[in-house]
Amino acid sequence: GAGVSQSPSNKVTEKGKDVELRCDPISGHTALYWYRQSLGQGLEFLIYFQGNSAPDKSGLPSDRFSAERTGGSVSTLTIQRTQQEDSAVYLCASSLAPRGGTDTQYFGPGTRLTVL
Amino acid sequence: AQSVTQLGSHVSVSEGALVLLRCNYSSSVPPYLFWYVQYPNQGLQLLLKYTSAATLVKGINGFEAEFKKSETSFHLTKPSAHMSDAAEYFCAVKDSNYQLIWGAGTKLIIKP
Repeated sequence: GAGVSQSPSNKVTEKGKDVELRCDPISGHTALYWYRQSLGQGLEFLIYFQGNSAPDKSGLPSDRFSAERTGGSVSTLTIQRTQQEDSAVYLCASSLAPRGGTDTQYFGPGTRLTVL
Repeated sequence: AQSVTQLGSHVSVSEGALVLLRCNYSSSVPPYLFWYVQYPNQGLQLLLKYTSAATLVKGINGFEAEFKKSETSFHLTKPSAHMSDAAEYFCAVKDSNYQLIWGAGTKLIIKP
């Protein structure tokens, strides 16, 4: 596709359930990022993938959060045993170049997660 | 650690008036600075970026921003607001690991 796509666009789940969020980056983009956007706050970095390198997981808030990137393309963010504080918009971005000073990140529309 | 402060969570201007959205950053290294816009129910879109070339950066949709090192600022401006400019605007700076550090955002409201 022309841009970054994410699915689902909305997800409502019950506390304690696991959820999977999907990101399809722009074709050919080697870098992929996940962010969390909570109401009234800026974006919070979660994880960064670059090619076949080990991901930078330094932003993951707890061990309930994990992410994979298969074949250097599609990525899945998994949240286990969801809590109400996990409610947020989860944004995915991709970039043609590795993380650097001038690279531009292109964002998907996000997945709005609501944990009841 | 780097940080970004956007003054005003909401800014309201009349259509045709000057838009000024403020961004101040803290950085111990020459900064890479960005402005993104988020329209309702859409992803963030890059407006413009400063990468140590010209201090006045022109972006899309008539927006521009000026890097002022002495003031550690990177304010976003547009001479004449349009209704279509109503959105949320985010300022961001790269840290020493080239990780984007984001401001909390400013919602721009355009009054007819």
